[in-house]
Amino acid sequence: ETGVTQSPTHLIKTRGQQVTLRCSSQSGHNTVSWYQQALGQGPQFIFQYYREEENGRGNFPPRFSGLQFPNYSSELNVNALELDDSALYLCASSLGLQGGTEAFFGQGTRLTVV
Amino acid sequence: RKEVEQDPGPFNVPEGATVAFNCTYSNSASQSFFWYRQDCRKEPKLLMSVYSSGNEDGRFTAQLNRASQYISLLIRDSKLSDSATYLCVVGDSGGYQKVTFGTGTKLQVIP
Repeated sequence: ETGVTQSPTHLIKTRGQQVTLRCSSQSGHNTVSWYQQALGQGPQFIFQYYREEENGRGNFPPRFSGLQFPNYSSELNVNALELDDSALYLCASSLGLQGGTEAFFGQGTRLTVV
Repeated sequence: RKEVEQDPGPFNVPEGATVAFNCTYSNSASQSFFWYRQDCRKEPKLLMSVYSSGNEDGRFTAQLNRASQYISLLIRDSKLSDSATYLCVVGDSGGYQKVTFGTGTKLQVIP
């Protein structure tokens, strides 16, 4: 067990709706990164939060937004859901920003948009 | 060109075989390199970091060639439990910890 937990584990939403996914980082980790993994693909970087501020973003539209709280847990919000948003959403926590730091993943939230 | 490229496989190999995966990356400024393993419908887990001098962990050997911008993973004496998708991961040297994943190479070890 990595100590990173995500909720919910599965979710079904209708196109156009909004969704919030949650992640509790491993104790002591101040950095959370979010990834989208479509079926048969590798995880795609969405954004990263470090000490409650967004600290880097991948190629995702503004309808993907997030928060990090003082306890370093994090939320991913997606507005105006599209069918292509169906994927496994992974969060990973790590300590600090150094590129060589190992990231620990949660088990993911599987989102289905119908 | 994709930032990180891997042969998606699948690689079907018999137990006991040696199998090698390669991965190429496009950003010559990349600073950190990893291999992650992902079992079906599970989260990725770190298998090993990859160092310039090469490193070995039991049956697994990782190599980095900065000049040619590729990373390799060698698995010796394959076990059934090695069946999984192996993800090549490359970290940037930017001000944040951006890592880029390859699409993964699927390995199936056959009895």
